Amino acid sequence: DGGITQSPKYLFRKEGQNVTLSCEQNLNHDAMYWYRQDPGQGLRLIYYSQIVNDFQKGDIAEGYSVSREKKESFPLTVTSAQKNPTAFYLCASRNWAGGFTGELFFGEGSRLTVL
Amino acid sequence: DAKTTQPPSMDCAEGRAANLPCNHSTISGNEYVYWYRQIHSQGPQYIIHGLKNNETNEMASLIITEDRKSSTLILPHATLRDTAVYYCILDGGANNLFFGTGTRLTVIP
Repeated sequence: DGGITQSPKYLFRKEGQNVTLSCEQNLNHDAMYWYRQDPGQGLRLIYYSQIVNDFQKGDIAEGYSVSREKKESFPLTVTSAQKNPTAFYLCASRNWAGGFTGELFFGEGSRLTVL
Repeated sequence: DAKTTQPPSMDCAEGRAANLPCNHSTISGNEYVYWYRQIHSQGPQYIIHGLKNNETNEMASLIITEDRKSSTLILPHATLRDTAVYYCILDGGANNLFFGTGTRLTVIP
């Protein structure tokens, strides 16, 4: 079945360590997104990418990095520079054809806890 | 994209219709109204969207006022599995969509 897969679902990290969250989609979508969600809050955009080898910062990009080497994959690295990384991370994708878009498809999320 | 305002929480009796309002008074002509829902600790799920006309699918109905400044999502026969946070989003194709805190709907047995 087509969909978007995030891994790992749960991740624990010590302070000062970098960690990479995986996001893979087989929907042939051009655009991919990373959001952060804190308890009781809405989603905040970290990074997005509309095309391979190109990506843009969202509202809260500091302390995060991404790459888009393949259309299907958009990994997010949470670096040690991110001061408060404990959160629920959501990856999403959607069509992007000359500005026309469809609905967002979300993964099941990755919950990162920094010990 | 413009922002939306939703009540923070609502209750609905099981089997009754759940009507979730959303205000979007600054909506632009090219912006669609999208609804998503998020069950606890899962990714949001698309429900329905519309531009001007009312829409219905197997999950819900969407009523958009004629001036497009507000809309209502209707779940016709709420079940316990409909307990979730519901987000109303304006989407004109931009990348930075505004996801507020949504409405937490609790379906009561």
